[in-house]
Amino acid sequence: QKEVEQDPGPLSVPEGAIVSLNCTYSNSAFQYFMWYRQYSRKGPELLMYTYSSGNKEDGRFTAQVDKSSKYISLFIRDSQPSDSATYLCAMSAGTGNQFYFGTGTSLTVIP
Amino acid sequence: DGGITQSPKYLFRKEGQNVTLSCEQNLNHDAMYWYRQDPGQGLRLIYYSQIVNDFQKGDIAEGYSVSREKKESFPLTVTSAQKNPTAFYLCASSLSPGQGIGYTFGSGTRLTVV
Repeated sequence: QKEVEQDPGPLSVPEGAIVSLNCTYSNSAFQYFMWYRQYSRKGPELLMYTYSSGNKEDGRFTAQVDKSSKYISLFIRDSQPSDSATYLCAMSAGTGNQFYFGTGTSLTVIP
Repeated sequence: DGGITQSPKYLFRKEGQNVTLSCEQNLNHDAMYWYRQDPGQGLRLIYYSQIVNDFQKGDIAEGYSVSREKKESFPLTVTSAQKNPTAFYLCASSLSPGQGIGYTFGSGTRLTVV
C-alpha cells in the first residue's frame, strides 16, 4: 500500500466552479500536510501547508485536514483557467522527516 | 531573486553514458534533495543531503550518485547502471529540520535516453 493515495484525474471543470482535490494516507504519524501546484514542464510550487488537523484558508484556496479519517482536501473557489495545473499533496511526520508525495491530480479549468 | 537553478532543461543520453545534472541554490538552505517524476508515480526520492559533505540514499538511489562539496550545489550523476533513466528530474531545497516546512523546487531537467 502506498503511503499517500491521490486520484490522478484528469479533472475538467468550467470556469467559476468549485474544485475539490483529495488525498488519503496510511501513516498516522503524518503531521505536516502540504499542497503543491505544478504547471506543465515546471517544478512544483508550495501552495499551502497545514499542521495537524483543521482548516486553512488563503484567498480562493482552502486546505482541510481530517486526521481521524486520514484524509486531506484542497478546495478552489471561483476556479480560473490559470488554475489549470497538476496539484500534488505531500505530507511528513516532522520537519526533519522525509516528505511523501501523492501522484498528482491534473486539473483543467475551461473558460 | 533567490531560488534554485537546474541545468540543462533538456538532456539526451546515449546508452552506456553517464550524465550529470546540475542543481544550484542561493537560498542559503542547508538541505537539498533530488526527486524523479514519472507519469502516474508521483515524486520519488533519489538522494538527499542535510549538510555539506554528507548525503543519504532515498528510495530509488540505485544507478545514481551525488556529491555535496558546497552548500549551494548538489549535482546528480545518472550512471549507465540506471536502466530506465528517462524521466523528469527535480531538485529541491529546504531549511534545516525544525526551521521551516516545505520545499523550494527547481524547474526540472527532462532526461531522455536516445
